[in-house]
Amino acid sequence: GAVVSQHPSRVICKSGTSVKIECRSLDFQATTMFWYRQFPKQSLMLMATSNEGSKATYEQGVEKDKFLINHASLTLSTLTVTSAHPEDSSFYICSARDQNWTSGSRTGELFFGEGSRLTVL
Amino acid sequence: GDSVTQMEGPVTLSEEAFLTINCTYTATGYPSLFWYVQYPGEGLQLLLKATKADDKGSNKGFEATYRKETTSFHLEKGSVQVSDSAVYFCALTKVNYGGATNKLIFGTGTLLAVQP
Repeated sequence: GAVVSQHPSRVICKSGTSVKIECRSLDFQATTMFWYRQFPKQSLMLMATSNEGSKATYEQGVEKDKFLINHASLTLSTLTVTSAHPEDSSFYICSARDQNWTSGSRTGELFFGEGSRLTVL
Repeated sequence: GDSVTQMEGPVTLSEEAFLTINCTYTATGYPSLFWYVQYPGEGLQLLLKATKADDKGSNKGFEATYRKETTSFHLEKGSVQVSDSAVYFCALTKVNYGGATNKLIFGTGTLLAVQP
């Protein structure tokens, strides 16, 4: 299947600093990527939909000034956690959709990165 | 709105036991249904999927059948192994052929612990 790669896989930072997480689709082009956040022992919560060449669409309750998303190319989306605080510590996961999903019998399958664990001290 | 409900875990089984993890959904139209697995310290991986009623998804000995009449997509495996220990997420997505974006809606996940 398609490969989505996230970097870094783990990051520890001090409170007040900003952290950037990259999500890359390695063997397909993705016009749309999704950023999820997973709290311990809870499900994944969609944070935002990242659209190539346009502004991201944020879910209700997600601070767009806190979580900056940039989707500058068809293979790269970045999530920047600005002025991070301990409550931002979480597991962040991106997913990407093959832009050919509307052709043939594809079902809109999403491919997930391996996740990035952020710890804010 | 659309939602997915999974049985709460953890589910603890002995090796070679039969596994069922229940999943029901609420959605308008005809969603596609998925099971994802998350092994310790890793991201999600697609385990299996079904796109229409009565479809059966299968992979690695796991199976799930899309039951529209009961709005269910229960995950089953005849004989679990220690290596199957992971968190399993049921999810749905609705394909929008108008080209609009869609998103996965996840259940809360079920932790499976298989003991030797």
